[in-house]
Amino acid sequence: NAGVTQTPKFQVLKTGQSMTLQCAQDMNHEYMSWYRQDPGMGLRLIHYSVGAGITDQGEVPNGYNVSRSTTEDFPLRLLSAAPSQTSVYFCASSPSLGNIQYFGAGTRLSVL
Amino acid sequence: AQSVTQPDIHITVSEGASLELRCNYSYGATPYLFWYVQSPGQGLQLLLKYFSGDTLVQGIKGFEAEFKRSQSSFNLRKPSVHWSDAAEYFCAVNDMRFGAGTRLTVKP
Repeated sequence: NAGVTQTPKFQVLKTGQSMTLQCAQDMNHEYMSWYRQDPGMGLRLIHYSVGAGITDQGEVPNGYNVSRSTTEDFPLRLLSAAPSQTSVYFCASSPSLGNIQYFGAGTRLSVL
Repeated sequence: AQSVTQPDIHITVSEGASLELRCNYSYGATPYLFWYVQSPGQGLQLLLKYFSGDTLVQGIKGFEAEFKRSQSSFNLRKPSVHWSDAAEYFCAVNDMRFGAGTRLTVKP
């Protein structure tokens, strides 16, 4: 029972580099989301998806892209990394919007 | 504007003492309400949830929370804290919005 799996766990980027954070869930959940966690700010929603082929912006979407080609996978792409994107990123899945969310272990990203 | 507020950034309690973590929300209607816990270096785990019905909700690890509509609050409580409860606690609502979190330190 893997639940929500995020890779990598740690990543260091240089300013301007691009990369993709991977997220996969094996619970057949329709809803998936990406958050960033910064000290004193809790979790802020970046993007979310209510099903394959459907994505929408959250509170802090700038600088990030997502796609949802399958129910299982929801990758987050940083197009041109900036130091302001240094953060811990969490992926979550849920059986429906507004329901309990199940979180991955997180990806700690540093942008130099 | 819709919001979730956790007024206490950091709380320290002695092991065996009681605990109450505060959560206030501002919404037009009663939202679904959640408490999550995050141990250091880990993801978030659900403690308990309120959808409707009984306003006193029981969760895992001996935690409970009480929904008070008149105060727009959903405070988390535990009668006797254990050292393993040291963690960060987040209140959340059903539109995916989270509070800023309360870090709990437990003194021996």
